[in-house]
Amino acid sequence: DTAVSQTPKYLVTQMGNDKSIKCEQNLGHDTMYWYKQDSKKFLKIMFSYNNKELIINETVPNRFSPKSPDKAHLNLHINSLELGDSAVYFCASSQVAGASSYNSPLHFGNGTRLTVT
Amino acid sequence: DAKTTQPPSMDCAEGRAANLPCNHSTISGNEYVYWYRQIHSQGPQYIIHGLKNNETNEMASLIITEDRKSSTLILPHATLRDTAVYYCIVRAGGSNYKLTFGKGTLLTVNP
Repeated sequence: DTAVSQTPKYLVTQMGNDKSIKCEQNLGHDTMYWYKQDSKKFLKIMFSYNNKELIINETVPNRFSPKSPDKAHLNLHINSLELGDSAVYFCASSQVAGASSYNSPLHFGNGTRLTVT
Repeated sequence: DAKTTQPPSMDCAEGRAANLPCNHSTISGNEYVYWYRQIHSQGPQYIIHGLKNNETNEMASLIITEDRKSSTLILPHATLRDTAVYYCIVRAGGSNYKLTFGKGTLLTVNP
């Protein structure tokens, strides 16, 4: 009954390949996110989708293409992988309240460790 | 979002209270204080949040100063499993979807 699940947990691939990471949440949340944690452990937001609509795109190269087929899923496809893409990618979800209300806490998955060789 | 300042690391003895400070001197009136932690090799985990009043839940207590310029996360009886990086984040409510993580505090609980 994992709340936010990501697959795969580990991904090792060569430069130039295309790969996808899948994320699913069973919390009924309307907003999902992708975060990247680099080797220095900084956690940075990449994308956010609210009700399948892209609402945050933090200057991420267009080699990265998120896709949200429904509210419970947010997948991340990466084209032409580069060495610098090696990182841990975290999916998260939350329920976004209306104006002037706080948003529910983010629930994170346990990450996908991507290694590009 | 307002900037936060946390010590890079702290130590605590097992069974003792761990008090983790956070400065957020530029916090705005509509900004909440959130605390998350990240245990090694896991995703960040929500701990607690507050606006003005002190808050307590099963994991921790959050003490916010009256001027709201700083806060303290208290783990009343730290265990070895509480060893993690703790993040203090300030974020406005409403339709603000972005949560920005800083460097956090590495809390090491020693036996």
